[in-house]
Amino acid sequence: GEDVEQSLFLSVREGDSSVINCTYTDSSSTYLYWYKQEPGAGLQLLTYIFSNMDMKQDQRLTVLLNKKDKHLSLRIADTQTGDSAIYFCAETHGYALNFGKGTSLLVTP
Amino acid sequence: GAVVSQHPSRVICKSGTSVKIECRSLDFQATTMFWYRQFPKQSLMLMATSNEGSKATYEQGVEKDKFLINHASLTLSTLTVTSAHPEDSSFYICSARGTSYNEQFFGPGTRLTVL
Repeated sequence: GEDVEQSLFLSVREGDSSVINCTYTDSSSTYLYWYKQEPGAGLQLLTYIFSNMDMKQDQRLTVLLNKKDKHLSLRIADTQTGDSAIYFCAETHGYALNFGKGTSLLVTP
Repeated sequence: GAVVSQHPSRVICKSGTSVKIECRSLDFQATTMFWYRQFPKQSLMLMATSNEGSKATYEQGVEKDKFLINHASLTLSTLTVTSAHPEDSSFYICSARGTSYNEQFFGPGTRLTVL
């Protein structure tokens, strides 16, 4: 089947904005998610967006959704070193989730 | 928020032995739990969907006789890796679906190493 696609690596300087992009596969996906994974840990839900929305803002996080292109992005404002982690986008797959391969975000001082 | 625990967090076993991993929803009831597998630097791959009181639904390519799933109560699902081999070494993560369709809470994962 098709894969949820993400760029594998992103490096930003502390204080800059980070934008992580994702292309998903299922146009009928009801919700789209962003998860954060720190080394050796499980997944932490950062935010999600309902498919009838095109933008959602939650403090430093902004999610943009382009349903026509099946494109999802996550913008992190004022990126901090503690934001360094792997970020996964996910689409719904029945009741489960179908994940991208993850984008490794490195924040440098 | 809802909490999902997994036990053990790490396990090392010899080839040929069986290993049981527990997934618990601590403060909510989960009629549906999911088991994922993650290889190093890879994404999470859904292995199976576990429904309380019924048989698990396995994804294509996942051997149900090798990965036994039991969802005996609304707060506990177990994954047993039978006759484990080195290629089964991986990070196993469970998740539990909350009362709302969009909620899914993940456990911290179990690192399995088979020698």
